[in-house]
Amino acid sequence: GESVGLHLPTLSVQEGDNSIINCAYSNSASDYFIWYKQESGKGPQFIIDIRSNMDKRQGQRVTVLLNKTVKHLSLQIAATQPGDSAVYFCAENTGGFKTIFGAGTRLFVKA
Amino acid sequence: DGGITQSPKYLFRKEGQNVTLSCEQNLNHDAMYWYRQDPGQGLRLIYYSQIVNDFQKGDIAEGYSVSREKKESFPLTVTSAQKNPTAFYLCASGRGQDSYEQYFGPGTRLTVT
Repeated sequence: GESVGLHLPTLSVQEGDNSIINCAYSNSASDYFIWYKQESGKGPQFIIDIRSNMDKRQGQRVTVLLNKTVKHLSLQIAATQPGDSAVYFCAENTGGFKTIFGAGTRLFVKA
Repeated sequence: DGGITQSPKYLFRKEGQNVTLSCEQNLNHDAMYWYRQDPGQGLRLIYYSQIVNDFQKGDIAEGYSVSREKKESFPLTVTSAQKNPTAFYLCASGRGQDSYEQYFGPGTRLTVT
């Protein structure tokens, strides 16, 4: 499959453990944030989003935390499974059509 | 089956040739985007289109061209002027204003030798 992000930051976790992936965003005017998951050879898929008027949002097994003071975003994955292995991107948007993507973090899940 | 498609999955070209990458969506989305992805980097925006017959340059538009003659289609041409065209190209679509989630195609891996 396609090899993307050969030199990305990498997080390795044991199956069943919780994962925390961090992201520092660049623009204090950004008001919408998204996490995407990209499996090898595929396009990114939406996981969860959060607006700047919130500091936490929960989905199924995933939670996004937003700290606007330090421009930091995190994605928490509960009970990590082998199928969670992928590259995870945070993205920020200031309300227009352009979205800025981070470099990504590769998550390895050890069985 | 709704979605966004890109073809082909892999494309090989000789240096100096123009090549056009296909992107089609049946999600009735107004906005469409082209990104380039290189190892170790995030997605970089090449061009985007908010509506039919309109498109805007992104951050790395040099050496690329697009058209948006139909709502469903947003082809990208990689011209011979693009100095380093070998990359993974991703097309995406979105509803547009007030909805910033983007739906991505499977990507096209272009190799130019």
